[in-house]
Order: sequence, then C-alpha cells, then structure tokens
Amino acid sequence: EIVLTQSPGTLSLSPGERATLSCRASQNINSNYLAWYQQKPGQAPRLLIYYASSRATGIPDRFSGSGSATDFTLTISRLEPEDFAVYYCQQYDSSPLTFGPGTKVDIK
Amino acid sequence: EVQLLESGGDLVQTGGSLRLSCVASGFTFSNYAMGWVRQAPGRGLEWVSGISKNAASAYYADSVKGRFTISRDNSKNTLYVEMNSLRAEDTAVYYCAKFEGYCGGGGCPTGWHFDYWGQGTLVTVSS
Repeated sequence: EIVLTQSPGTLSLSPGERATLSCRASQNINSNYLAWYQQKPGQAPRLLIYYASSRATGIPDRFSGSGSATDFTLTISRLEPEDFAVYYCQQYDSSPLTFGPGTKVDIK
Repeated sequence: EVQLLESGGDLVQTGGSLRLSCVASGFTFSNYAMGWVRQAPGRGLEWVSGISKNAASAYYADSVKGRFTISRDNSKNTLYVEMNSLRAEDTAVYYCAKFEGYCGGGGCPTGWHFDYWGQGTLVTVSS
C-alpha cells in the first residue's frame, strides 16, 4: 500500500499570500497518478488537480500542481477567502487507492 | 450538470446491515466507473470500493472486503453498496463518487481518480 504523507498539517496564512502544500509518497507513483482535492466544512471534496498537474474543469489558475515520483506539491499562488479549507492528495497508481491525511489552510 | 445523490444512511446496531444508494444525473452513467469513499467523523478520506462501468469488475479496500458488496443498475442510473456485519469503525459519511480515467498498468482501479462527488450520507454504527 502506498502511504501518503502531507505537510504541514496546518498552514496559517493571510489572504493574498502564497500557499505551498507538500505530499510525499512511500514509493514511486508512476504515470503521475496523483490528484488533489479541496474540502470545506460540511461539504464533499472537490477535485482540483489530476495527473499531478492538470487542473480540473472550472478550477482557477491560481491552483497549480507539480512534482513526480515521490514528491508532489500543490501551490495556491494568491489565497482568496474561499480557499481556506482542507486539502488532500490521493494516489491512483496502486490499489488500494489511498489519500493523505490532509493539510488544513486556515486564516492567520 | 453532474449530480450524485446518496441516500440510505442511518443508525444501525453493531453486526447489522444497511444498503446505500446513489442516483446519478447529468452524465451517461453507464459510461463510467463509480465508487464509494468514506470519512469518519473528524477524520480523513478512505476509499471503500469501486465498480467498472458494466459492473463486470468490483474492487474493495481490505477493511471492507467480504462484508461490503458494490453494485449498480445502469437502467436506473443508480449505484449501491450493501454493507453487512457493520462495526463501530464503519461509522462515517459515505460519499458516492464518479471515476474518471483509464485503467493503469496494474489493472483497475489504478488509473482512476474521482472527478465528481455526492454530498454524502451518514452511517452510524452503535451498540
């Protein structure tokens, strides 16, 4: 099973700042089979990024994904008020499909 | 607009059974694999199960294998999961999700990611 570790656990930032979230895998993820989701309280997760760097439909270009093999990054270039949420990475290179524990981005 | 509407969540006793349903609209249901993901209260996300578009293949997390059965009725645009021998640790919000992508080199469900999610239904297992 591929274990995903996300850091930091919590990121406290102000609107307008840049957010950099990390996702590290316990083994290589092939074909960049790595996705990022955003979840707000009481809501379902929403797909942001798939294949490590492809933005999902309707996702603003301030969200970007990068990385390969075992190290992946989600960057939010300038935080908007609606971006404060929990972010999960997920690998789909190996079964079982697994998620990271999440990074909470909160308002400083 | 893609919509996924789950139902069937309830309070059930340990060892009991429950069936969840998910009605899909806004896309051609029979063209896509589907799955279930759960989230225990205050916890992260856990993939539970997946099923191919024609129901020929089903996939399960080890934590539910042998107790949960996923199925679908393409004529009704509906996904199901039958949950038996429920345990306290099955308590969670259960999300129905649409898969996107192609099977990876390791076979399905590798290569699939979730592109749309329902709002979830709460299952509480208590003695």
